[in-house]
Amino acid sequence: GAGVSQSPRYKVAKRGQDVALRCDPISGHVSLFWYQQALGQGPEFLTYFQNEAQLDKSGLPSDRFFAERPEGSVSTLKIQRTQQEDSAVYLCASSSGDGTQYFGPGTRLLVL
Amino acid sequence: GQQLNQSPQSMFIQEGEDVSMNCTSSSIFNTWLWYKQDPGEGPVLLIALYKAGELTSNGRLTAQFGITRKDSFLNISASIPSDVGIYFCAGRPNSGGYQKVTFGIGTKLQVIP
Repeated sequence: GAGVSQSPRYKVAKRGQDVALRCDPISGHVSLFWYQQALGQGPEFLTYFQNEAQLDKSGLPSDRFFAERPEGSVSTLKIQRTQQEDSAVYLCASSSGDGTQYFGPGTRLLVL
Repeated sequence: GQQLNQSPQSMFIQEGEDVSMNCTSSSIFNTWLWYKQDPGEGPVLLIALYKAGELTSNGRLTAQFGITRKDSFLNISASIPSDVGIYFCAGRPNSGGYQKVTFGIGTKLQVIP
């Protein structure tokens, strides 16, 4: 596609539920990033993939957060046993490797 | 996590006025980036700066990479209503390849027609 797409755009989950957020990067982009953006804050780095390899997951806040990109294209961010503090916008970005990151519209997660 | 300091955090200006916002860091960055985020969308890159002292323009936008490599500013001249949004600065340790990007907390700009 023309840009990075994310689905769902909105997700409401009950506390304790598992959620899965999908990112479709720009075709051919080898690098993929996930960010968490709390209300009124800037995006905070979660994890980075180069092709299918997860090279940096230092930003994942707990072991309830898990990301994968099995074929080096689509990526899924999974959050297990969601908590209220997980409520945020989850942004995905992709890059061709020149350093410029192109962001998707984000998934707005609300945990009740 | 670490976030850069941006100021002001919000501003209301009259259409046609010039705007200035800045960003500081306790760490040195070798790349400074400025993004704009509209409601319900992801950030969009406006300007990238790669060298200390560099001054770069993109239409009505001008950004500078501070000499100390710990700060940057963004100016918007002759503001228009579509400039409304949140502006984020971001820093990267190196100019190419993979490096973690650190974002500021944002400057929310409102333009009064």
